[in-house]
Amino acid sequence: ETGVTQTPRHLVMGMTNKKSLKCEQHLGHNAMYWYKQSAKKPLELMFVYSLEERVENNSVPSRFSPECPNSSHLFLHLHTLQPEDSALYLCASSQDLDRGPRNTGELFFGEGSRLTVL
Amino acid sequence: AQSVTQLGSHVSVSEGALVLLRCNYSSSVPPYLFWYVQYPNQGLQLLLKYTTGATLVKGINGFEAEFKKSETSFHLTKPSAHMSDAAEYFCAVTIPSNDYKLSFGAGTTVTVRA
Repeated sequence: ETGVTQTPRHLVMGMTNKKSLKCEQHLGHNAMYWYKQSAKKPLELMFVYSLEERVENNSVPSRFSPECPNSSHLFLHLHTLQPEDSALYLCASSQDLDRGPRNTGELFFGEGSRLTVL
Repeated sequence: AQSVTQLGSHVSVSEGALVLLRCNYSSSVPPYLFWYVQYPNQGLQLLLKYTTGATLVKGINGFEAEFKKSETSFHLTKPSAHMSDAAEYFCAVTIPSNDYKLSFGAGTTVTVRA
């Protein structure tokens, strides 16, 4: 098993569909993240969870709904998306949120879910 | 808040030539600095990181970077480019605290000419 696994790798959906992206980490980490990567734009941090508790909601529209049932799994529920939401959605994990000598903040990324909204 | 600036959104090098990717950071305290690589249709993979200690950091695939406090820089180099180095490269910064945010640069796309 690779460290961080994302499914599906590719998703095409209409604006009225409801779908979900799944992320699973096998690293024993306590923090998980959703990032959005759009063409020609920097990585955008969307959500952060620590021990299943959401600690960041970075002004993300409500059509994106995260869920973290346990420290190994993270979901991103999608509904009534817009074409501009088409992007690569990256999941990442880190040991913890605190930074220091024992935890330098390295993120481990999944391979991403390429979302296309028609 | 800490931030990084990557100079040059595209770099083209010949196979066998030096690869130099520039990154400058802004931080009020000594930072932790990272370089990530993203190959087409994949996620980001850590190349190397600087936390404390030796300022010249060696990473995977023959890459290295040098932390220069006086210049607030963390440039990435590789002496001899290989076709497999074609990818997008991201510099990132965080600080030792309870602020978990990792700030990424806009990325530099590297193309390697045969």
